[in-house]
Amino acid sequence: RKEVEQDPGPFNVPEGATVAFNCTYSNSASQSFFWYRQDCRKEPKLLMSVYSSGNEDGRFTAQLNRASQYISLLIRDSKLSDSATYLCVVIPAGNMLTFGGGTRLMVKP
Amino acid sequence: EPEVTQTPSHQVTQMGQEVILRCVPISNHLYFYWYRQILGQKVEFLVSFYNNEISEKSEIFDDQFSVERPDGSNFTLKIRSTKLEDSAMYFCATQRNMNTEAFFGQGTRLTVV
Repeated sequence: RKEVEQDPGPFNVPEGATVAFNCTYSNSASQSFFWYRQDCRKEPKLLMSVYSSGNEDGRFTAQLNRASQYISLLIRDSKLSDSATYLCVVIPAGNMLTFGGGTRLMVKP
Repeated sequence: EPEVTQTPSHQVTQMGQEVILRCVPISNHLYFYWYRQILGQKVEFLVSFYNNEISEKSEIFDDQFSVERPDGSNFTLKIRSTKLEDSAMYFCATQRNMNTEAFFGQGTRLTVV
């Protein structure tokens, strides 16, 4: 089993739609979780950290489910500018950042 | 806002040549990483560096690769004898502490011909 796994997509959604991605991780001792956004040929940029209690930032909501070992990202009211690859990043205890393969989102007019 | 700076932004080199990729981390960050991304593929871990030594490295990071922080500011990745398959985007990332978010440089696009 891969350490951090994501559905590669692409997820093709119309503007205004709500879309959700999941990311599963294998190391139950993982302590820190993040969602990054990567545009084509650019560096990954932090979108949001994922806290145990869940957190929201505008149209974006991130949640952590430790029992089932997954994190999720929900995007409401999708914009064309949300089109990108969304990377799940997990830090297992005492270890380095581990990336998922990314989920590609395409928002269409 | 502090940022991670990488140079050069693009390097073209002949197979077998040595290249050095440079990164200037955010000043109070303690953990440093190199990642690479082959076009269209996932971000792959190469090496992590803390307290002036390698803390972890991947299978990709073989004897052709080395890292150092010679002057306490620049963090460099050297590839001794480049191969065609080394062509990729190389990202430097830095963290203040082990469990905090990492910040990435804009990357160096390495093309080996």
